[in-house]
Amino acid sequence: DGGITQSPKYLFRKEGQNVTLSCEQNLNHDAMYWYRQDPGQGLRLIYYSQIVNDFQKGDIAEGYSVSREKKESFPLTVTSAQKNPTAFYLCASSTTGLGSYNEQFFGPGTRLTVL
Amino acid sequence: AQTVTQSQPEMSVQEAETVTLSCTYDTSESDYYLFWYKQPPSRQMILVIRQEAYKQQNATENRFSVNFQKAAKSFSLKISDSQLGDAAMYFCAYRRGFSRNQFYFGTGTSLTVIP
Repeated sequence: DGGITQSPKYLFRKEGQNVTLSCEQNLNHDAMYWYRQDPGQGLRLIYYSQIVNDFQKGDIAEGYSVSREKKESFPLTVTSAQKNPTAFYLCASSTTGLGSYNEQFFGPGTRLTVL
Repeated sequence: AQTVTQSQPEMSVQEAETVTLSCTYDTSESDYYLFWYKQPPSRQMILVIRQEAYKQQNATENRFSVNFQKAAKSFSLKISDSQLGDAAMYFCAYRRGFSRNQFYFGTGTSLTVIP
């Protein structure tokens, strides 16, 4: 089955530690995205990548880093510089064709809690 | 930056009745795409319906339909014959055209379905 997987589902981190959230897709999509979801704030874009080895900052990139070495994978690292990392993180992917809807398909999410 | 506004944080509907969720957006562009996503308690984001700005005809998907008013920059979602499984957070989203794939999401409307 084609889709997007995120792991782990739940993640606990001590203050001062970096953690990496995994996102893998087998939809052959060129573009991938990371969002942060907090209560009452909808989805906020952290980083996105439209092609391998290239990515752009979203609205709230501070304290986060990403890599895109493979088309299928777009891991997100939450660094110790992120002041309030406790949140629900969603990964998404999409096609990038001209004149196409390019709707985003989402993974099941990772709930990160800082202890 | 584009903004998407959902002015109803919470809505409720009786089972089998009809409910309309509101969404407005701010843009100076003529080519863009609009989407409604559903996020049930499982937190898996699911695409409900989509609309291209150039298409005057309102999109329909089974019990879900939209009222797209381009001049008013309004994109409301109508759910007919509401079912218990429709209970979820609903997010309105905007994507710019011309292969610019960044999405902008509203803050969501929490829909409760009353048996």
